Amino acid sequence: DADVTQTPRNRITKTGKRIMLECSQTKGHDRMYWYRQDPGLGLRLIYYSFDVKDINKGEISDGYSVSRQAQAKFSLSLESAIPNQTALYFCATSASGSYNEQFFGPGTRLTVL
Amino acid sequence: SQKIEQNSEALNIQEGKTATLTCNYTNYSPAYLQWYRQDPGRGPVFLLLIRENEKEKRKERLKVTFDTTLKQSLFHITASQPADSATYLCALSRGGATNKLIFGTGTLLAVQP
Repeated sequence: DADVTQTPRNRITKTGKRIMLECSQTKGHDRMYWYRQDPGLGLRLIYYSFDVKDINKGEISDGYSVSRQAQAKFSLSLESAIPNQTALYFCATSASGSYNEQFFGPGTRLTVL
Repeated sequence: SQKIEQNSEALNIQEGKTATLTCNYTNYSPAYLQWYRQDPGRGPVFLLLIRENEKEKRKERLKVTFDTTLKQSLFHITASQPADSATYLCALSRGGATNKLIFGTGTLLAVQP
């Protein structure tokens, strides 16, 4: 079984709808991240969490919110989706401390019409 | 503002040759740099990490160099194979308490048989 899973894998929705993307991990890591990837822009950090009680904004948090329900679960919400939020979304985890690699989920392809 | 540049054009090489990918950065002082591989439709996978006080790191057919004076990292794949075809991402971090990564846009490598 995959260490980092994301649901759904694909989602098409309409402008104004509320969307939740979910991420679960079995690696036992404290740190979790949400990124979006757009062609030509690379991976950009939306939010990150270093433990259940710690939530931090990344470089592009406007229009998004997150919830860390447990050490293993980190959800990303789009309260009112807009077309420019169409992108590939990745969840990632890492162990605490410096110099640690990040482990990525398979991604969610979101299309907002 | 900080900027990470990777070759935006695809790199095409013949099987058996050495592939060299470049990652340049400006307005940034990384504590370490990581390289990831990303296949179409999948999340990035960690390959190598090199710290600011290290000049070179090797792992099997992979070699990474890090020149903090030139603000550049080179990623080499020796004896390249068609299975090495993928997008390769560099990512930088200042380390410390947050340990966040900033990603480049990636370089697509195509190894021709």
